[in-house]
Parts: sequence; structure tokens; C-alpha cells
Amino acid sequence: LAKTTQPISMDSYEGQEVNITCSHNNIATNDYITWYQQFPSQGPRFIIQGYKTKVTNEVASLFIPADRKSSTLSLPRVSLSDTAVYYCLVGDIGTGGFKTIFGAGTRLFVKA
Amino acid sequence: SAVISQKPSRDICQRGTSLTIQCQVDSQVTMMFWYRQQPGQSLTLIATANQGSEATYESGFVIDKFPISRPNLTFSTLTVSNMSPEDSSIYLCSVRGGGLASYNEQFFGPGTRLTVL
Repeated sequence: LAKTTQPISMDSYEGQEVNITCSHNNIATNDYITWYQQFPSQGPRFIIQGYKTKVTNEVASLFIPADRKSSTLSLPRVSLSDTAVYYCLVGDIGTGGFKTIFGAGTRLFVKA
Repeated sequence: SAVISQKPSRDICQRGTSLTIQCQVDSQVTMMFWYRQQPGQSLTLIATANQGSEATYESGFVIDKFPISRPNLTFSTLTVSNMSPEDSSIYLCSVRGGGLASYNEQFFGPGTRLTVL
């Protein structure tokens, strides 16, 4: 599994756009990039997943450059309720025995 | 999506005793996993629960300490045996595949908060 590196923590204010970048220099050809969100006292929740270029859903956007050695999770106009830990994961989801292994994550604090 | 329930939601136990945590899913799933998360830390994968066969454990976790059962496609148990204060943690059940809409997405239960005195 490719190792990922994310900032330990980030601060933001309500209404701002937040971009969290994850480095995965050893990403393999078949690896996908997945982001999870975890609120206090809850299990992680899937946010978004992508392979290359850009993916957007109702929650976030995921930007992946051509070399795929990094990715950026973009949260538009954050609110206080977006305060959570965000995990970047990389792995070959096509493998039957694929295991979701979590790194340290990024603690996002949204202030009023 | 999957609805996952865990029992108990929390417990306080004495050292040397054992606790069995149950995980129930509202649909048949291919893969079930057990994780541990200590306060302020990330999640650590304990094992993959395989239906009808022994669980597959990650490095640092053994069957004698964390026996796992998975009798069918919707249920699994994790036992924390001969507990010590170091076992105090949140234990989470997670599932993927099978009847769920997306095989790529993994779903997590609410967790069981265990405190060992």
C-alpha cells in the first residue's frame, strides 16, 4: 500500500474554501485515491474517490494531477459542522482482498 | 448504504476479563473488518472477518487475544480477551461489498467504547 502524507491539522473560518493536500509519491498504477471524514464519536464516512483528473460530488471535489503523486480534497464554503478529521487513503480497490488502511489524517478546525 | 449496529455501545470492564462485541449489518456484505481507535489517534486494522473460516489478522494482533467469529454475511463478533488497561479503546466494525451499492465504499459502525480498569 502506498504511504500517504497529510498536514496534521488545519484551521479555517466559516464560508471559506478549504483545500487539504495529500502526498502519495509511491502510488501504483491500479491504485485509487479515497477520502474519508470522521466526526468525534462516530465512525469514518466515505466522502469521495478518484483515479485521475477531477471528481466532484455534492460534498467535495477531488483534484488529481497527471502524475497522481498527490491529490487535493476541496471543501467549498465550510461550516462549523465540517470540523472533523479527514483521511486520505490509496489502494487498489479492484483487488478482492483490498484493505482500507488509515494514515494519521488531517484535523480540520472551522471557526466562526 | 449500510446500517451497522454494534453492541454494546460502551462498557467498563475489569482487567483479566473478556468482552464480546457484536456487529450487525442490515444487508449481506462480502467483507467485514474490525478496527481499533485509541483516543486522538487514527484507526488501526485488527483483522478481516471471513465468513465460514478463520479471520485474517494484521501484524501485532493474534487470534488468542482477539478471537473473531463470522457465522453469516450480516453478523460478526470480536472478543477482547484477558483485558488490560492498554486495551481501552474504541472498537469499530466496518463492511464493504456484497449487497451494498458501491463496492468501493466502506461503511463503519458507531463503535464500541471500551474502558478497562
